[in-house]
Amino acid sequence: GAGVSQSPRYKVAKRGQDVALRCDPISGHVSLFWYQQALGQGPEFLTYFQNEAQLDKSGLPSDRFFAERPEGSVSTLKIQRTQQEDSAVYLCASSLNGRSSTDTQYFGPGTRLTVL
Amino acid sequence: AQKVTQAQTEISVVEKEDVTLDCVYETRDTTYYLFWYKQPPSGELVFLIRRNSFDEQNEISGRYSWNFQKSTSSFNFTITASQVVDSAVYFCALSEALTGANNLFFGTGTRLTVIP
Repeated sequence: GAGVSQSPRYKVAKRGQDVALRCDPISGHVSLFWYQQALGQGPEFLTYFQNEAQLDKSGLPSDRFFAERPEGSVSTLKIQRTQQEDSAVYLCASSLNGRSSTDTQYFGPGTRLTVL
Repeated sequence: AQKVTQAQTEISVVEKEDVTLDCVYETRDTTYYLFWYKQPPSGELVFLIRRNSFDEQNEISGRYSWNFQKSTSSFNFTITASQVVDSAVYFCALSEALTGANNLFFGTGTRLTVIP
């Protein structure tokens, strides 16, 4: 596609439910990132993939958060047993090359998660 | 440790005024990249510019200009003759090439409101 797409755009979950957020990166982009953006804050890094390999998951806040990119394209961020503090916008970004720190990251529109 | 500071939380200007958004960064890396992104109400982060630490030339793109001052660790963004469509949250971000970090470090953003 022309840009990074994410679905759903909005998700409301009851506390304790599991959710899955999807990201379709720009076609051909090697690197994929997930960020969490709390209200009124800048995005904060969660995890990074180079193709299908998850090379950095240092930003995942707990073991309830899990991400995968099995075929090196689409990625899913899963949150198990959601808590109210998980409410945020989850942004996905992709970049062309594997040297992620030097590349420009292009962002999707985000998924706004609200946990009741 | 790396850090990006955007001291201006909110700015309001009247249409056609010029406005400068400040960004101050901290890094121990000698090779790094600085970015500006725009986040309109739709939520998507729109890439505006990337500069590397070895290129201190100022850049102009239409009504936008950027002033990179390594001596003061600043990367300020000026919009000339502001328009209502410029209303958004603007984020400054840093990536480091040598430390191994894969992600962007964002400031907390500046909300710009252009009043017609």
